[in-house]
Amino acid sequence: DAGVIQSPRHEVTEMGQEVTLRCKPISGHDYLFWYRQTMMRGLELLIYFNNNVPIDDSGMPEDRFSAKMPNASFSTLKIQPSEPRDSAVYFCASRAGSSYNSPLHFGNGTRLTVT
Amino acid sequence: QQQVKQSPQSLIVQKGGISIINCAYENTAFDYFPWYQQFPGKGPALLIAIRPDVSEKKEGRFTISFNKSAKQFSLHIMDSQPGDSATYFCAADNYGQNFVFGPGTRLSVLP
Repeated sequence: DAGVIQSPRHEVTEMGQEVTLRCKPISGHDYLFWYRQTMMRGLELLIYFNNNVPIDDSGMPEDRFSAKMPNASFSTLKIQPSEPRDSAVYFCASRAGSSYNSPLHFGNGTRLTVT
Repeated sequence: QQQVKQSPQSLIVQKGGISIINCAYENTAFDYFPWYQQFPGKGPALLIAIRPDVSEKKEGRFTISFNKSAKQFSLHIMDSQPGDSATYFCAADNYGQNFVFGPGTRLSVLP
């Protein structure tokens, strides 16, 4: 099992540019989550999907952020246009089902720096 | 009501000592309380978890104590080792519908 795979690991971009973060969940997992981690705000849930359908996007900061899950093995988080305050580590996580014995499995994150 | 409070923010312990991290919640609908461990450059990983029908769970050097009436739970790391130095997050889950993390505790175990 390769775990949750995120790409790229690091992204440096200039303000105003479009950024796309990618995630491949663990095969068979039907829930996928996008989190943002900063020193000030900790781990924030941005959006989660169940069976490729967005369930709760209330954590998405603003319209500049969008997420898609076109199939069970791929999801993207897009920021357009990017701003310096978007600089953070973005994590993707997946889980099999929603019962208590199905933990979240995190990828190693994408560190985004917007200059 | 959806928040999980966690303390201390940072903790320094000597090798062999006991590390204790405390968490508190308000939402009585939470039914699952995991702890996640995160090393630099890595994503958080499940360490140990407990359900509210149990007051204590132990796995090796790691123990969760749970006080349902006080809505508090804590992580105890016995015989702390330098390799335990990491950030620890408590969390609470509501039947998979609302997974909330605490703000994290940065643990440093001195050799």
